[in-house]
Amino acid sequence: GDSVTQMEGPVTLSEEAFLTINCTYTATGYPSLFWYVQYPGEGLQLLLKATKADDKGSNKGFEATYRKETTSFHLEKGSVQVSDSAVYFCALRGGGNKLTFGTGTQLKVEL
Amino acid sequence: NAGVMQNPRHLVRRRGQEARLRCSPMKGHSHVYWYRQLPEEGLKFMVYLQKENIIDESGMPKERFSAEFPKEGPSILRIQQVVRGDSAAYFCASSPVSGNQETQYFGPGTRLLVL
Repeated sequence: GDSVTQMEGPVTLSEEAFLTINCTYTATGYPSLFWYVQYPGEGLQLLLKATKADDKGSNKGFEATYRKETTSFHLEKGSVQVSDSAVYFCALRGGGNKLTFGTGTQLKVEL
Repeated sequence: NAGVMQNPRHLVRRRGQEARLRCSPMKGHSHVYWYRQLPEEGLKFMVYLQKENIIDESGMPKERFSAEFPKEGPSILRIQQVVRGDSAAYFCASSPVSGNQETQYFGPGTRLLVL
């Protein structure tokens, strides 16, 4: 079945550091890929998505490229801010209608 | 355009009681999904509904859990005879149509605590 693996956290960075959160997936067919962000006590917000190979999703300085050859969708940001502190979830949506999530990666950004 | 609404935001129940969680999808959305997030874990799919129909309930526990999305009114996730292991955050999401490219928009969740 479908699965998503993402790097374990917490990831602690200083403000303005470069961020990478790794995400790899297993799926049949051609899934769409998503990154969601969850702030403390809140629901999930869509951060970005990509629906086919080589697509790059981007939003608020975050980027991720759909790499079919490596089955990856790594999240990157060139310069993180304290306000980026949250839990980040990688997810895929395959032939069915459900989203399959990774376990989440907590990001802590310090001054 | 109001987002996905869930209520209550927090719910406390004693073992053996019933829990009812409500979800109102975004305006114009006719597809609803329920997910459960256990502490320190990711979200797990429970059920997918359209108006008056359960489309996929492959993630629902076999007993005590049920869901509906009536023609009028919100979607309801019902947990009968709750146990401590049901303590979790329950999130509802909606989308305007089905299809793997469609974005699911999430509500703020209901945090259930079973004493």
